[in-house]
Amino acid sequence: QQPVQSPQAVILREGEDAVINCSSSKALYSVHWYRQKHGEAPVFLMILLKGGEQKGHEKISASFNEKKQQSSLYLTASQLSYSGTYFCGTVSNSGYALNFGKGTSLLVTP
Amino acid sequence: DGGITQSPKYLFRKEGQNVTLSCEQNLNHDAMYWYRQDPGQGLRLIYYSQIVNDFQKGDIAEGYSVSREKKESFPLTVTSAQKNPTAFYLCATKQTSANNEQFFGPGTRLTVL
Repeated sequence: QQPVQSPQAVILREGEDAVINCSSSKALYSVHWYRQKHGEAPVFLMILLKGGEQKGHEKISASFNEKKQQSSLYLTASQLSYSGTYFCGTVSNSGYALNFGKGTSLLVTP
Repeated sequence: DGGITQSPKYLFRKEGQNVTLSCEQNLNHDAMYWYRQDPGQGLRLIYYSQIVNDFQKGDIAEGYSVSREKKESFPLTVTSAQKNPTAFYLCATKQTSANNEQFFGPGTRLTVL
């Protein structure tokens, strides 16, 4: 079952912040975040594990709320290069393969 | 140069023809996956394989078939039974532990005319 991402789309001005959410109805073992540019393959950003700490990658960080089976991706002081579609992929406690959400389209404008 | 190779990048076929998409990897990863991507739908899992000579259906396996005769290769056949095969197809690999990064190939865009 696909995790649910919100919002579906967001437009930012350079330097603004954004939060992308990912929630699942299943108990999760891990959450993976990817960014995809148009026509290209998704690029890995980070993994959050059950019981793990909040992760960070430059000005992009994420958290994982195990009780709510939710993860959030935080983009601070956005840059033009942050534009793209962001996907969360989840691995449930009972599953193995990654299930991806429908994606959040992010556009950063000058 | 390590990575995942998918060829060709663009593929055109006539309706009713079977077509096989190739995926080759030299990352020595055990697990391989096929995803289909349509606008607004995200990535949907077609088939996956955790080990040679074994594979499992994903969420949208109907109309597709796969084989895993070698660790390095996981070809996907789109059969004439697939009602709407035009899409972007992505192959991915990873080590079997759930907390490992999944790597994606460059993708093949299939258009059925």
